[in-house]
Amino acid sequence: DADVTQTPRNRITKTGKRIMLECSQTKGHDRMYWYRQDPGLGLQLIYYSFDVKDINKGEISDGYSVSRQAQAKFSLSLESAIPNQTALYFCATSDRSGGAREQFFGPGTRLTVL
Amino acid sequence: RKEVEQDPGPFNVPEGATVAFNCTYSNSASQSFFWYRQDCRKEPKLLMSVYSSGNEDGRFTAQLNRASQYISLLIRDSKLSDSATYLCVVNINNNDMRFGAGTRLTVKP
Repeated sequence: DADVTQTPRNRITKTGKRIMLECSQTKGHDRMYWYRQDPGLGLQLIYYSFDVKDINKGEISDGYSVSRQAQAKFSLSLESAIPNQTALYFCATSDRSGGAREQFFGPGTRLTVL
Repeated sequence: RKEVEQDPGPFNVPEGATVAFNCTYSNSASQSFFWYRQDCRKEPKLLMSVYSSGNEDGRFTAQLNRASQYISLLIRDSKLSDSATYLCVVNINNNDMRFGAGTRLTVKP
């Protein structure tokens, strides 16, 4: 079974709709992240969380919100989706060891906003 | 200027070739460095960390030049299975990983 799962894997929606992307992990990691990936731009950090009570904005948080419901769950919401939020979204986790450590990514959610 | 810059490629090489990718980063306070591999339509996965003294993992060699703010990845004896996009990743502090846009490699028979 995958250690980091994301649902849905694909979603097509319309402008103005509210969308929630969900991420679950069984790795026991404290830290969780949401990224988006656009062609030619690399991954950009949207939000990250170091534990259930800790939420931080990343590079591109405008238009997004997150909820850390439990250590294992971190969801990303688009309150009112717009076409330029069409992208591939990845959730990732890492442990809390000092210094930078490897991040483990989910399989991604491909979101299209019409 | 992007914080992490890579030549997007594509690099098209024959099997057995040696190929090198370069990456530059703009934040001199960057603390740690990585190469990730991403297959088409898949998630990124760690290939190797990059240490100041340079490090090797089989056919892969990574080097870091802090003075020039430059990272490289060398792949020797390329295999078909090495075809992927290689992402240069720089950690600004404990919280913040910045990803390059990736260099695409295709290894041909």
